[in-house]
Amino acid sequence: QQQVKQSPQSLIVQKGGISIINCAYENTAFDYFPWYQQFPGKGPALLIAIRPDVSEKKEGRFTISFNKSAKQFSLHIMDSQPGDSATYFCAASNDYKLSFGAGTTVTVRA
Amino acid sequence: GAGVSQTPSNKVTEKGKYVELRCDPISGHTALYWYRQSLGQGPEFLIYFQGTGAADDSGLPNDRFFAVRPEGSVSTLKIQRTERGDSAVYLCASSLNPVLNTGELFFGEGSRLTVL
Repeated sequence: QQQVKQSPQSLIVQKGGISIINCAYENTAFDYFPWYQQFPGKGPALLIAIRPDVSEKKEGRFTISFNKSAKQFSLHIMDSQPGDSATYFCAASNDYKLSFGAGTTVTVRA
Repeated sequence: GAGVSQTPSNKVTEKGKYVELRCDPISGHTALYWYRQSLGQGPEFLIYFQGTGAADDSGLPNDRFFAVRPEGSVSTLKIQRTERGDSAVYLCASSLNPVLNTGELFFGEGSRLTVL
């Protein structure tokens, strides 16, 4: 049973465009929502994270938007660059254990 | 190196064989995790160690899977009587303080297991 549902499965964006990835969860006990970035052959690496008492968090070109009432959160990648081409995973946790979404493969075309 | 180290990076074995996968966490990280990532999926939790003890092994699929961390540092994931369905990338991660629930897991590059 997947606790975090992620969409889309893949997306293609032009250089300079905006990539948007959406996630939804059911467990209201979750209180930490990180996003991980994974390149082929590498392990996932933490990109940005948010707690539910904040509706938005921005770090550089990456922004998380969080809607607690809808139990949804999303990642926006602004001014997408070819180097952003990777697989992105949303995740959720209320303790030491992370529940990951299925991932979104982002391809940025130059 | 300063990161999480996993060996072997690739392992091909035959159905029914025994496999060991090793993880060397970041120095000073007391928490260690094993996750399994199947093709096209997100990592799935297997087991969590705090120090030497397995604090949560609820993600291990069955009793063919076992993990140890005898000295609170290096961990070994052991799989007996491997099956084709065990084929996946096995990721190890460590963190400084899981009690704070920061979600900041530092992952290794994984051990890709292929069972023929």
